[in-house]
Amino acid sequence: GAVVSQHPSRVICKSGTSVKIECRSLDFQATTMFWYRQFPKQSLMLMATSNEGSKATYEQGVEKDKFLINHASLTLSTLTVTSAHPEDSSFYICSARWTSLETQYFGPGTRLLVL
Amino acid sequence: AQSVTQLDSQVPVFEEAPVELRCNYSSSVSVYLFWYVQYPNQGLQLLLKYLSGSTLVKGINGFEAEFNKSQTSFHLRKPSVHISDTAEYFCAVSDGDDKIIFGKGTRLHILP
Repeated sequence: GAVVSQHPSRVICKSGTSVKIECRSLDFQATTMFWYRQFPKQSLMLMATSNEGSKATYEQGVEKDKFLINHASLTLSTLTVTSAHPEDSSFYICSARWTSLETQYFGPGTRLLVL
Repeated sequence: AQSVTQLDSQVPVFEEAPVELRCNYSSSVSVYLFWYVQYPNQGLQLLLKYLSGSTLVKGINGFEAEFNKSQTSFHLRKPSVHISDTAEYFCAVSDGDDKIIFGKGTRLHILP
């Protein structure tokens, strides 16, 4: 099956700093990538959808200036958490697909801890 | 609007016993249905999906699910569970558009 990787797998940062998380599709070209957030023992909540070469579409309630998403190539999307605060601590998961009819393939997730 | 309901937050079952994880959905249009598994501290892995065709869908690791349009259900089953099946299971629905809506998940506990 298709493989999606995320880097880093876990990161600890100080409050006020910015953190960048990478999502890569390793063996296919992802025209669309998705970013999810998962709180402990809860489901995944879609944060934003990004299409290669265009601006991301954010879900209601997600601050686009705080969660910067870049999808510059067909194999890479990045999520930057700017001026991170402890409440941003969470598990961030990306997914990718290459056509609208295809299943989304999920990355292994990135655990962010903001101190 | 679409939604997914997983009625059971936790399901304990003895090893080698059968299990059913329940999922009900609501949607005003044709749906695509999915079951994902999440092992501790990992991302999601697709178990199986229903897009069209046969209502009985077979997935990986011996799991299967049946799409029941009249009952708007997509229950997941396995005839004999193993300790390695301990995980969180998410049912999800999509109308073919960009969004996948996830249920709240069911934690499967395998008892020795």
